[in-house]
Amino acid sequence: GAVVSQHPSWVICKSGTSVKIECRSLDFQATTMFWYRQFPKQSLMLMATSNEGSKATYEQGVEKDKFLINHASLTLSTLTVTSAHPEDSSFYICSAPLGIETQYFGPGTRLLVL
Amino acid sequence: RKEVEQDPGPFNVPEGATVAFNCTYSNSASQSFFWYRQDCRKEPKLLMSVYSSGNEDGRFTAQLNRASQYISLLIRDSKLSDSATYLCVVSRSNDYKLSFGAGTTVTVRA
Repeated sequence: GAVVSQHPSWVICKSGTSVKIECRSLDFQATTMFWYRQFPKQSLMLMATSNEGSKATYEQGVEKDKFLINHASLTLSTLTVTSAHPEDSSFYICSAPLGIETQYFGPGTRLLVL
Repeated sequence: RKEVEQDPGPFNVPEGATVAFNCTYSNSASQSFFWYRQDCRKEPKLLMSVYSSGNEDGRFTAQLNRASQYISLLIRDSKLSDSATYLCVVSRSNDYKLSFGAGTTVTVRA
C-alpha cells in the first residue's frame, strides 16, 4: 500500500485562486519532505525542502511567497500555490525519505489553472 | 548544463529484445545513483539503486562509471509491461535531495 498520500489527486481552479495540496506520510514520521514539480515531457524539478517545525528551504528560482509550505507535524506537509496562474499548471509531487536509499513519493497532484 | 542528462528516446523494441541506455551526471561529488520508473501520469517508483560494482535485478542490469560520470540501464527479454519512462536519478549528498533526468521512454511492442 501507499506510504505517502497526497490530496487532492487533481484540481482545476480559476486563475487568481489559491490551491492547497497536502502530503502525508503514513506509518512513519518525516521530519523532511520534498516538493517537486513536473511539466509535460520534462524532469521532476525540486521546488523546496519542507522541514518540520522550521521554515522550508527553496531551490533557486522558486518564489517562496508564491509557493507556501507548512510542515506542522511529523506526518503532514502542505504546499499552497497562491494566486495561481495558468503557467502554474503542472504535476506536483511530494516525497518523504526514509534513509538515503529509500524515498517514498506521493501519487502526485495534477493542477490545471484556467 | 543540466545536472543529469538522458537520451529521451523513444526506444521502440519488440518483446524479448534487449534495450540499453545511459545517462550522464555533471557533479562529480554525487554519491548515490538510482533508476526510477515512471508510468504515464503517475509518480516515479524506484527500480533499482546503482552501485560502482554494477548490480542486477532480474532482467535489469545497472552499471555506474564514476570516472566517466555515466550510469547505464540494460533490460533483457523485454516485456510489454516494461513500457515506461526510465528516470536517471542522482543524489549529491546526505541531505536526501534527488536530481532527476528528464527520462528515457521505452516502448515494447508485441
